[in-house]
Amino acid sequence: EPEVTQTPSHQVTQMGQEVILRCVPISNHLYFYWYRQILGQKVEFLVSFYNNEISEKSEIFDDQFSVERPDGSNFTLKIRSTKLEDSAMYFCASSENQRNSPLHFGNGTRLTVT
Amino acid sequence: GENVEQHPSTLSVQEGDSAVIKCTYSDSASNYFPWYKQELGKGSQLIIDIRSNVGEKKDQRIAVTLNKTAKHFSLHITETQPEDSAVYFCAASKGYSSASKIIFGSGTRLSIRP
Repeated sequence: EPEVTQTPSHQVTQMGQEVILRCVPISNHLYFYWYRQILGQKVEFLVSFYNNEISEKSEIFDDQFSVERPDGSNFTLKIRSTKLEDSAMYFCASSENQRNSPLHFGNGTRLTVT
Repeated sequence: GENVEQHPSTLSVQEGDSAVIKCTYSDSASNYFPWYKQELGKGSQLIIDIRSNVGEKKDQRIAVTLNKTAKHFSLHITETQPEDSAVYFCAASKGYSSASKIIFGSGTRLSIRP
């Protein structure tokens, strides 16, 4: 069964550094998402992406965050200047179309900011 | 915005017994309610979903019920097995806009006692 794959599985970075989290969505999917889960808290929506542009973003997704689909397969989340509170599991997801298609999640990237 | 509350936060049941997880949502416009299972170190996997035009849906040992009037929905797992141990998340979505975001509950850690 096709899967959403995320790399790396664990990323450690120093505060103020830029990080790029990478995702390869399922190949025929058109909608892409990033969610994050701070330890012990809810899974939170960050951003959705369709047709090479952001469809919706949450208040968490400020100017420090950006997303990009640099080629036909990758979907990246960039954090420009990491803060301690950015430490979380970041999950990429994709779905086939807009009408309540199930989201398929990757295994996540654990980001630790020191 | 939508808010999803989930209870209990932890649940321990004897193998073979049933487990019930309950969620409430705040936005009456929500019309799609998926349930996700998250095993340790993995991304969330959709296990069952229900739409607002249906009151109940069953898939083998898993069933979900929806009460639109009360804005409650529940997950029922019967004849529980050790592999059912995981964190379960309920979620709600309006589903009418492209890339509609899903709002998650806080999760229930289910443990199956042998």
